[in-house]
Amino acid sequence: DGGITQSPKYLFRKEGQNVTLSCEQNLNHDAMYWYRQDPGQGLRLIYYSQIVNDFQKGDIAEGYSVSREKKESFPLTVTSAQKNPTAFYLCASSSTDRGRAYEQYFGPGTRLTVT
Amino acid sequence: GEDVEQSLFLSVREGDSSVINCTYTDSSSTYLYWYKQEPGAGLQLLTYIFSNMDMKQDQRLTVLLNKKDKHLSLRIADTQTGDSAIYFCAESIGGATNKLIFGTGTLLAVQP
Repeated sequence: DGGITQSPKYLFRKEGQNVTLSCEQNLNHDAMYWYRQDPGQGLRLIYYSQIVNDFQKGDIAEGYSVSREKKESFPLTVTSAQKNPTAFYLCASSSTDRGRAYEQYFGPGTRLTVT
Repeated sequence: GEDVEQSLFLSVREGDSSVINCTYTDSSSTYLYWYKQEPGAGLQLLTYIFSNMDMKQDQRLTVLLNKKDKHLSLRIADTQTGDSAIYFCAESIGGATNKLIFGTGTLLAVQP
């Protein structure tokens, strides 16, 4: 059963602590993405990776870090430098094959609350 | 810069058709997409349309694209209460980077 998994579904942290959100896919996709969603807003791109061991900053990368050591995995670390980390975080993946529509498939999301 | 705009809210009665509208700015977008998000869940891809097409139909869903006006719409026929959700349109930018720009979403409320 192919898809994208994110864990945990809910995460609570104290201010000042780093936290890592997990994202795994078994769709054999080369590209993976992290988005942040705030109430009443669309999705904003944090980081993306088109191939293993390479990633690029998105529109709101400050206070976040990522790694891409394996094709299947793209963990996101929310650092203490992120000023307003409470949000819903979504991971996605897509094929990079030519001739495809490059549609992105999403995981179920992780809701992070920092107090 | 790139911007995708949608109206915030749409209310329809069960059995009626729903039309959700979207305007985008990047004329070089290759694909445009519609996603559905139910409360507390991730985004589900509903359909997409290639930029050289005017229309695409998929069961109850019809996508219309007016490239001249940069206007995209999603029509849901025979709307059901299970269609109640937030609908996002998105445009592809950047070619091989596969980056998408999302609208702010339209909340569709279906009244029984």
